Amino acid sequence: QSVLTQPPSVSAAPGQKVTISCSGSSSNIGNSYVAWYQQLPGTAPKLLIYENDNRPSGIPDRFSGSKSGTSATLGITGLQTGDEADYYCGTWDSSLSAAVFGGGTKLTVL
Amino acid sequence: QLQVQESGPGLVKPSETLSLICTVSGGSISSSSFYWAWIRQPPGKGLEWIGSIYYSGSTYYSPSLKSRVTISVDTSKNQFSLKLTSVTAADTAVYYCARHYCPDGNCYSLNYWGRGTLVTVSS
Repeated sequence: QSVLTQPPSVSAAPGQKVTISCSGSSSNIGNSYVAWYQQLPGTAPKLLIYENDNRPSGIPDRFSGSKSGTSATLGITGLQTGDEADYYCGTWDSSLSAAVFGGGTKLTVL
Repeated sequence: QLQVQESGPGLVKPSETLSLICTVSGGSISSSSFYWAWIRQPPGKGLEWIGSIYYSGSTYYSPSLKSRVTISVDTSKNQFSLKLTSVTAADTAVYYCARHYCPDGNCYSLNYWGRGTLVTVSS
């Protein structure tokens, strides 16, 4: 059982937009920055979004992040088949003094 | 370009100790504001953070694994290591190391992940 809650799966057609939610509490998302990670099949996770809404160098602006209260959202526009992956949210839980992740969301581009 | 690389045995017997090393190249493990983390992923499952260490030796551990985990650092070799005792089949996973951004006593994003190494616990 993950501390952060994500939908197990989402799907959309190529070219469309999808959002992935991440729900937490006041001791984690509500009190910290959120990061998002993309894990393509058979590879290591890669940082996609940091500090709620910032993209590392090389990440296309089709990927965006936002945070409101104790929830965060990853948005992906102009979906491509290459975006099919597992997406994880992560943050710091100040009550646990621990890093926590969501259970992951599998994105299917139909 | 910073790189991190995991190394260690791919097979560990039940009840024994799992030991892995992460080697940092292209940068110093002694950088301020950055801890160094271990994360694992059981086959077909999600990510689980194990713990993080600063170059000074200060550590954070997952509450669920704290009793069995030790993370240490060797700044002279630009390496940090993981020891997990009394392993069972439930500890079978891909183990990743990564750099953890921790600027103010809290930790945030994990960047520069290693490729991961599969450790199987089996007799």
